[in-house]
Amino acid sequence: AQTVTQSQPEMSVQEAETVTLSCTYDTSESDYYLFWYKQPPSRQMILVIRQEAYKQQNATENRFSVNFQKAAKSFSLKISDSQLGDAAMYFCAYRSAWNQGAQKLVFGQGTRLTINP
Amino acid sequence: EAGVAQSPRYKIIEKRQSVAFWCNPISGHATLYWYQQILGQGPKLLIQFQNNGVVDDSQLPKDRFSAERLKGVDSTLKIQPAKLEDSAVYLCASSLESGLARVTVHNEQFFGPGTRLTVL
Repeated sequence: AQTVTQSQPEMSVQEAETVTLSCTYDTSESDYYLFWYKQPPSRQMILVIRQEAYKQQNATENRFSVNFQKAAKSFSLKISDSQLGDAAMYFCAYRSAWNQGAQKLVFGQGTRLTINP
Repeated sequence: EAGVAQSPRYKIIEKRQSVAFWCNPISGHATLYWYQQILGQGPKLLIQFQNNGVVDDSQLPKDRFSAERLKGVDSTLKIQPAKLEDSAVYLCASSLESGLARVTVHNEQFFGPGTRLTVL
């Protein structure tokens, strides 16, 4: 079974600075997707960025980028130029790349990000 | 395009009572998921439907939880009787069915706003 671990329960950063959230995972599969989701107090789970395991290039979405280390099974999220609206719970998640059988997302425990003005 | 709808947004019940949650997925999405998110934890899948058939319910406590998806559209999740440890946010998500063996970006799961259940 796959597992996802986020070792930082809470992180804080000054507005406009850069912060990195850590995530490690365990799987025996070679083909999978990794995701970072943002969950504000409204509870709506919002996809921030996705990474396909077979792609070596790290994904980037505006101020959000990832550092994907497949051999180390590490998947960190970097948020540049932090904004007050970035404050939320951030979840790292794993999903198998194949549609056979269960297609569930496996989530980590989450990291609460606080932005200090 | 309308998102995933859920109701109610909040529910408070006494232990041993029953409760039901409703989910309306995005139009055309064949796959529907119910996740349970206990405070301070990440969501955990309870059940996955593809159309009106169950794909995965291995984590569903079947002695008290039940779910159905009649006609392959809306879904209802029921708890009877509720326990204190059922206090959580219940998230519904839906995704397209691509018909392909391999997942694509079109299989992205879209989440509803969730229902916060408090069992006293």
